Amino acid sequence: DAKTTQPPSMDCAEGRAANLPCNHSTISGNEYVYWYRQIHSQGPQYIIHGLKNNETNEMASLIITEDRKSSTLILPHATLRDTAVYYCIAKGTGTASKLTFGTGTRLQVTL
Amino acid sequence: SAVISQKPSRDICQRGTSLTIQCQVDSQVTMMFWYRQQPGQSLTLIATANQGSEATYESGFVIDKFPISRPNLTFSTLTVSNMSPEDSSIYLCSVERLAGSTDTQYFGPGTRLTVL
Repeated sequence: DAKTTQPPSMDCAEGRAANLPCNHSTISGNEYVYWYRQIHSQGPQYIIHGLKNNETNEMASLIITEDRKSSTLILPHATLRDTAVYYCIAKGTGTASKLTFGTGTRLQVTL
Repeated sequence: SAVISQKPSRDICQRGTSLTIQCQVDSQVTMMFWYRQQPGQSLTLIATANQGSEATYESGFVIDKFPISRPNLTFSTLTVSNMSPEDSSIYLCSVERLAGSTDTQYFGPGTRLTVL
C-alpha cells in the first residue's frame, strides 16, 4: 500500500472550513484514499473514502486531484469537537491490503 | 456501520500476568483485526483474527505473546501474555464486513492497559 504524507499539525478557527492535505504520490490504480480521525485516544472514527471522484457525506468532503497524487479532506464548518488527529491512508481492495496508520495531522480547532 | 464493544475498557495489571481482551460485534463480519497504540504513537496492526484458524501476525508480533481466538463471526479475544510495562498501550479491535472489498473498517472503543 502506498505511503501517505501529512503535515503534523494544523490550526483552524471554529466555524471556518478546515482543509487537511495529504500526499500519496505513489498510490496505485486500485488503492482508495481513506480518512479516519481519532479524538483523544478513542477508537478511530471513519470519515470518508474515495478512489478518484470527489466524495461528500454528512461529515466531510474529499477532493482528490486528477492525477490522484494528493487529496484534501474538507470539514466545511469546523467545531471544537472536530479537534482530533486525522489520518489519511491509501488502501487497496485485496485481502492482503491492510489499513496502515501513519502519524496523521493533529487538527486544533480554536475559538 | 458496525457496533463494536470491547471489554474491559481499561485495566491496571501487574507485571508477569496476562490479560484477555474481548471484542464483540453486533453483526457477522468477515475480517477482525487487533491493533496496538503505544503512548503518543500511531496505531500498529498486531494481527488479523481468522475465524476457524490461527491468526495471521504482523512482523514483530508473535502468537506466544499475543494469542488470539476467533470462535465465530462476531467475537474475538486478544490475550497479552506475561506482561511488562512496555505493554502499556491502548488495544483496539476493528472489523470489516467483506474481505478484499472497499467496505469500511470500523474500530472499537479500545482497551487502555497499564502494566505496573
